[in-house]
Amino acid sequence: GESVGLHLPTLSVQEGDNSIINCAYSNSASDYFIWYKQESGKGPQFIIDIRSNMDKRQGQRVTVLLNKTVKHLSLQIAATQPGDSAVYFCAEYPRAAGNKLTFGGGTRVLVKP
Amino acid sequence: GAVVSQHPSRVICKSGTSVKIECRSLDFQATTMFWYRQFPKQSLMLMATSNEGSKATYEQGVEKDKFLINHASLTLSTLTVTSAHPEDSSFYICSARTSGGDTQYFGPGTRLTVL
Repeated sequence: GESVGLHLPTLSVQEGDNSIINCAYSNSASDYFIWYKQESGKGPQFIIDIRSNMDKRQGQRVTVLLNKTVKHLSLQIAATQPGDSAVYFCAEYPRAAGNKLTFGGGTRVLVKP
Repeated sequence: GAVVSQHPSRVICKSGTSVKIECRSLDFQATTMFWYRQFPKQSLMLMATSNEGSKATYEQGVEKDKFLINHASLTLSTLTVTSAHPEDSSFYICSARTSGGDTQYFGPGTRLTVL
């Protein structure tokens, strides 16, 4: 999820395979992290969140991993489906920003049938 | 989950006119609402934060006189783009958060095209 200007990094994945989307965050003071999914022409949709006192959290077909040592967040999607094709953003709540979400650059996931 | 709506979903206007976008929380009271702008293939950029009954707080570089925000009730915030120009064409997204909550619920976005 690092910002890459006008070109979103793209992850191509075969239907049925697992997807891993990575995000590096910069503020070590952030204590709450969220993954959002955004389909074309729509607003972001909440997927899963994690607090800094945890290093792993699982949802339905999704798992978020948090490594505070290297300030890295990842989203794993199991058995990726065509409906998972979208742009995925990580977001963090840095305390210094007054409890406002800061979004990462986004990663486009393309599921191939 | 909590639902946030936006109206209109798309708007096309002439340069120099003003456009109002509404953001509503449908099943919860939103003490804080946020307005974001998103250009193609880019991430969401926070424009301003509005708290019900008080003036909005704008991010650096966002003109408060051009992007008027009103948060008159716990379920409605409006963004008015005044004297719109083609460079204001973008995808505008609002989000809402309850008092004491961390999760932001996002609206579906409004596509603004200024001719």
